[in-house]
Amino acid sequence: EAGVVQSPRYKIIEKKQPVAFWCNPISGHNTLYWYLQNLGQGPELLIRYENEEAVDDSQLPKDRFSAERLKGVDSTLKIQPAELGDSAVYLCASSAEGGDTQYFGPGTRLTVL
Amino acid sequence: AQTVTQSQPEMSVQEAETVTLSCTYDTSESNYYLFWYKQPPSRQMILVIRQEAYKQQNATENRFSVNFQKAAKSFSLKISDSQLGDTAMYFCAFGHGGATNKLIFGTGTLLAVQP
Repeated sequence: EAGVVQSPRYKIIEKKQPVAFWCNPISGHNTLYWYLQNLGQGPELLIRYENEEAVDDSQLPKDRFSAERLKGVDSTLKIQPAELGDSAVYLCASSAEGGDTQYFGPGTRLTVL
Repeated sequence: AQTVTQSQPEMSVQEAETVTLSCTYDTSESNYYLFWYKQPPSRQMILVIRQEAYKQQNATENRFSVNFQKAAKSFSLKISDSQLGDTAMYFCAFGHGGATNKLIFGTGTLLAVQP
């Protein structure tokens, strides 16, 4: 069974440019999470989806960050415009309905110059 | 709010030896889950072991075991017969489970297994 897939693995952009990250969860997992991991820190939740509904986006900086999961499967996280402080690893995870264990993708390392 | 503390930023162990990583947490909940994740340089966060708070028996997975002390809010990870491939960052995480399935992570412990 395939794990959580994320792309791209690396992204380098100039500040003020837009950027998007894509995530495909484990097949059958209805819950999807986006986490932000700063260097030397543990991941922090940005947003959680139950199917296509964002049920917890309290930590998402909505002035520049947006996310969508239109058909309840794949998800896209967007930053526009990117700032220097957005340089970090963006992790996607998924879990089964009612499940307590989250499975993570390989992450996208974003560098903003 | 829940917090997770890992007081050992770095640790080192010789190959084939045993090492214990510490984790403490703070919560007022009675039902929750605790996890140890491993993150090698490839950045993939890999689940090592999982503990349900309502179970008194400590979880084990091959060479990995935990010492779960609910009253003390302590959740340490023991790695036996350490291997070079165990070199990684290890994160302790607290999970609410259920309708608010959010993980709270510690700051991690960088484990280096020496040959």
